[in-house]
Formats: sequence, structure tokens, C-alpha cells
Amino acid sequence: GAGVSQSPRYKVAKRGQDVALRCDPISGHVSLFWYQQALGQGPEFLTYFQNEAQLDKSGLPSDRFFAERPEGSVSTLKIQRTQQEDSAVYLCASSLQGRNQPQHFGDGTRLSIL
Amino acid sequence: RKEVEQDPGPFNVPEGATVAFNCTYSNSASQSFFWYRQDCRKEPKLLMSVYSSGNEDGRFTAQLNRASQYISLLIRDSKLSDSATYLCVGGDSGTYKYIFGTGTRLKVLA
Repeated sequence: GAGVSQSPRYKVAKRGQDVALRCDPISGHVSLFWYQQALGQGPEFLTYFQNEAQLDKSGLPSDRFFAERPEGSVSTLKIQRTQQEDSAVYLCASSLQGRNQPQHFGDGTRLSIL
Repeated sequence: RKEVEQDPGPFNVPEGATVAFNCTYSNSASQSFFWYRQDCRKEPKLLMSVYSSGNEDGRFTAQLNRASQYISLLIRDSKLSDSATYLCVGGDSGTYKYIFGTGTRLKVLA
């Protein structure tokens, strides 16, 4: 389909390992967002890209979290030296540029750190 | 205090009932508002945008009250398939990032 695509759907890693989560936004969507959703909570903002520029990374919880979107399309969220508290669903969303444009979400990656 | 607050519920209502959810926001600079629906273990899906004049889409009505800083969602003639978590969203006027509420769980009972 033409929606936001995320991979992998599920990821299990041992504490201390590095992980990389991928997001393929809707074609033509300039804006891309990453959110973290803990069980029973609403999604929490992590970072925002407009094309390849990372304009807001205020939600990244620590310097172990890093996101990039080098060509303004696919984005990768990397978590280094994972900790158990990183276990969550990571959601990617994309939208057209501009105010009031709704964001469209991918299925998310469910990350479990053992 | 969270920027966007919702009653987590759960709201258990019989089929055919009318149910209303409210959501308050603290950032008066928020410009855009939405309701999203999230089924268990699924991604949030846009239900409707919320406009100052209020808007309706079939059985769903959304309203925004800027003076009191709340938005509401009304569901008429509830269906079993309406059972889900409803997420209230405020859009940051600068970066357009979403500020989500914790969600309100609705269960429609046969």
C-alpha cells in the first residue's frame, strides 16, 4: 500500500546491544516524526524532520538515541547500548508540510530489551 | 500537569448509546487539534480533525472550545466496532509535533 511503512515489526535485543529502526514515509510527505509509546500511554514525541533537516530533537530521551533522514525520505532511528527502559513501541508518522496537516502513522516497531 | 489531559476510562457503554469524551489542553498556543483512534496493538489512525466551528462526520461530532481550552468528541449510536482507545491530540504551532493525551478507552457492550 501507500502508507507509512516501518520495519522490523518486532525487535528483541539484549541489554547493551545497538538497534536500528526504519521508517519509509508516504511518498511526497515532507515532514517525518518519531514517537515512543509505552504501554497504556499516548505516544510521546521524539524528533521531527523536514526533508533531511532534523528541526526538533527535543524529545530524544538521551544521547543514546540518534535519528537521521539523509536523503529526505527514509529515516532510521538508532538506539545505542539499549536499556530495559527503552522497551516500547516506536511509531513513525509523516505528513505534508504545513500547519493543520494530519499525521499518518506506520504500524510501529515493538522493541523489547531483555 | 500534562499538556493534554484525558480521562483514561474505561467507558463501558451499551450498543446504541451516546458517549462523549472531553480533553483539556494547557498550551494556549496550540493551533491544531485532532482525534485519533487506536485499536489494541495497532497504530493510531486519524478519526477527525477538530475545527473551531465544530465538525461532524457521520455519528461523530468534534468541538473545540478555545476559551476553556478543551476539545470534545461525541459518538452517537455506538457500535461494537467503536470499541478502541481514543487519543486527543494538540498540534504544536511551531514544529507541528503532536502532543497526545493518554487516551480514553471505550468498550461498547452488546
